[in-house]
Amino acid sequence: EVQLVESGGGLVKPGGSLRLSCAASGFTFSNTWMNWVRQAPGKGLEWVGRIKSKLDGGTRDHAAPVKGRFTISRDDSKDTLYLQMNSLKTGDTAVYYCTTVRPSGVIDSWGQGTLVTVSS
Amino acid sequence: QSVLTQPPSVSGAPGQRVTISCTGSSSNIGAGYDVHWYQQLPGTAPKPLIYGNSNRPSGVPDRFSGSKSGTSASLAITGLQAEDEADYYCQSYDSSLSGYVFGTGTKVTVL
Repeated sequence: EVQLVESGGGLVKPGGSLRLSCAASGFTFSNTWMNWVRQAPGKGLEWVGRIKSKLDGGTRDHAAPVKGRFTISRDDSKDTLYLQMNSLKTGDTAVYYCTTVRPSGVIDSWGQGTLVTVSS
Repeated sequence: QSVLTQPPSVSGAPGQRVTISCTGSSSNIGAGYDVHWYQQLPGTAPKPLIYGNSNRPSGVPDRFSGSKSGTSASLAITGLQAEDEADYYCQSYDSSLSGYVFGTGTKVTVL
């Protein structure tokens, strides 16, 4: 069974930093493309970033609102996905979901999410 | 800001058929990228409902169906049931943004 468990969320002041982690199990993590998706309170889903498997080049892409501030990375030796978030803004407040994503674009497994609150 | 537009809400009586539209543009749905649909029950993470425009993952009832034409896609729910009350999102890839895009989301209410 695929399991994705996010951690690292919490309360941080504007301008601060936070690193989210996602522990993966139940599938071959190293062969799988991974995503972060976020959802602000009461709002819709927003794609944050994707990292391909190293086999497919390990390319990283980030959404425009977070480019230059957030960095997605992976440690295949630990089956773990990360999201380093710097220069946080109040608009980054959201539940952050770790997901698998197929090359076709379908997001087939989601974690339970971790809440990040950016507030002074 | 979502680039895929959905109606904010749709409603129907039990047993009825409802449809949710997802309107994109020539850089996403119109460019031939697949459309996927997700169901999000209150307080839970989204789950895949339709992938590759019209395919259902195992375990998803055949009451749910998807289609795509031109720059739009749609999700149909036939035989509406109380348990279908949820938020529904479409998703695709956008070549101008070089990333995935979600629809604005639609809340389905069973009357």
